[in-house]
Amino acid sequence: QQQVKQSPQSLIVQKGGISIINCAYENTAFDYFPWYQQFPGKGPALLIAIRPDVSEKKEGRFTISFNKSAKQFSLHIMDSQPGDSATYFCAASKQGAQKLVFGQGTRLTINP
Amino acid sequence: EPEVTQTPSHQVTQMGQEVILRCVPISNHLYFYWYRQILGQKVEFLVSFYNNEISEKSEIFDDQFSVERPDGSNFTLKIRSTKLEDSAMYFCASSVRVSYGYTFGSGTRLTVV
Repeated sequence: QQQVKQSPQSLIVQKGGISIINCAYENTAFDYFPWYQQFPGKGPALLIAIRPDVSEKKEGRFTISFNKSAKQFSLHIMDSQPGDSATYFCAASKQGAQKLVFGQGTRLTINP
Repeated sequence: EPEVTQTPSHQVTQMGQEVILRCVPISNHLYFYWYRQILGQKVEFLVSFYNNEISEKSEIFDDQFSVERPDGSNFTLKIRSTKLEDSAMYFCASSVRVSYGYTFGSGTRLTVV
């Protein structure tokens, strides 16, 4: 019940294309869903986050889509650039809890 | 931009030895965390620390692990008797509010031989 399942494990997209990474959760008590970007040798960095009272949140080229009934959320990267090549993690937490539950990660490669 | 600083960046230790991983969280943050990431796997929660005490811990965080905030700036993770399976990247993080807007450090790669 504490798991967050992320797919795909790896993704290759051409420059300028749309990258889509999906996550699903089981625990309906989760109420905070961040996405983290991790470059090799670095810690995860918060990219964008959403709460379940909205279905979509956009920040620049990054959009989270949230489907509460399906218990799924996804990250869309528009106009993907080689500099977006990194590992992306979705995560979830519930109110009052102090830990984040991470997905398995997606290694994104943007080909020039 | 404020950073979470971790030292050392890489530590090699012999099985059975004690190691201390050090972190300097962001100064106005109140919540402190340790996570680990075994190579190629997901990031896993170890422990959270608030108001000078452990507030939540995972099943991974057994009696071999301890955390401390020895002064106003440092936050440490101690592993008393390291095992081969403790080899991982250990990340410290801090946040202003509980579970919100974590800032992670760059990590300490621990290798147990």
